Amino acid sequence: SQQGEEDPQALSIQEGENATMNCSYKTSINNLQWYRQNSGRGLVHLILIRSNEREKHSGRLRVTLDTSKKSSSLLITASRAADTASYFCATFGGGGSNYKLTFGKGTLLTVNP
Amino acid sequence: DARVTQTPRHKVTEMGQEVTMRCQPILGHNTVFWYRQTMMQGLELLAYFRNRAPLDDSGMPKDRFSAEMPDATLATLKIQPSEPRDSAVYFCASGLGSTYTDTQYFGPGTRLTVL
Repeated sequence: SQQGEEDPQALSIQEGENATMNCSYKTSINNLQWYRQNSGRGLVHLILIRSNEREKHSGRLRVTLDTSKKSSSLLITASRAADTASYFCATFGGGGSNYKLTFGKGTLLTVNP
Repeated sequence: DARVTQTPRHKVTEMGQEVTMRCQPILGHNTVFWYRQTMMQGLELLAYFRNRAPLDDSGMPKDRFSAEMPDATLATLKIQPSEPRDSAVYFCASGLGSTYTDTQYFGPGTRLTVL
């Protein structure tokens, strides 16, 4: 079963607006990662936030993590048409021999020019 | 620019036929993952390896699917016999195998259609 659950499932905005996507998960994690998938392509890693971090920035991306609520959010500022893609959160339990990520079902973001 | 490569990119086959998908992980990566993506189920982990040893294949239908790593530069996923419900995009991903901060690098996928 998938641990991460993204919300909303789909989001449509105008170019220049900000886009916020949320992710909730169920069990303790070592880190949480966000990936982007353009139509017909593989997933691309965007940003990783560790369980002891609360906020992280990378260019126009801002990720927050609230481990008490088991939730994360991804903010894309000043969106562009090229940001149109599906965005997935993935949790990493880590430790021992566990190297796998557990992905949610994703948020489909459409940025209209 | 190191990338994960997958072959073939597209495969159309008839029910009952054997399908083999191949993946070349990024040189130096020691974890390899196989995923299946469908509209209904999303992204599902089928199996993964570390240092060529299978660590988890619990997501894979054992009766028809098999995954191997003959060497460090090649991972294979086989379906025999294939069924229409196997139609999906199959992704391979590789990583450095860091215990606490691993990220994954995905290939472009193999789009499989079973008629």
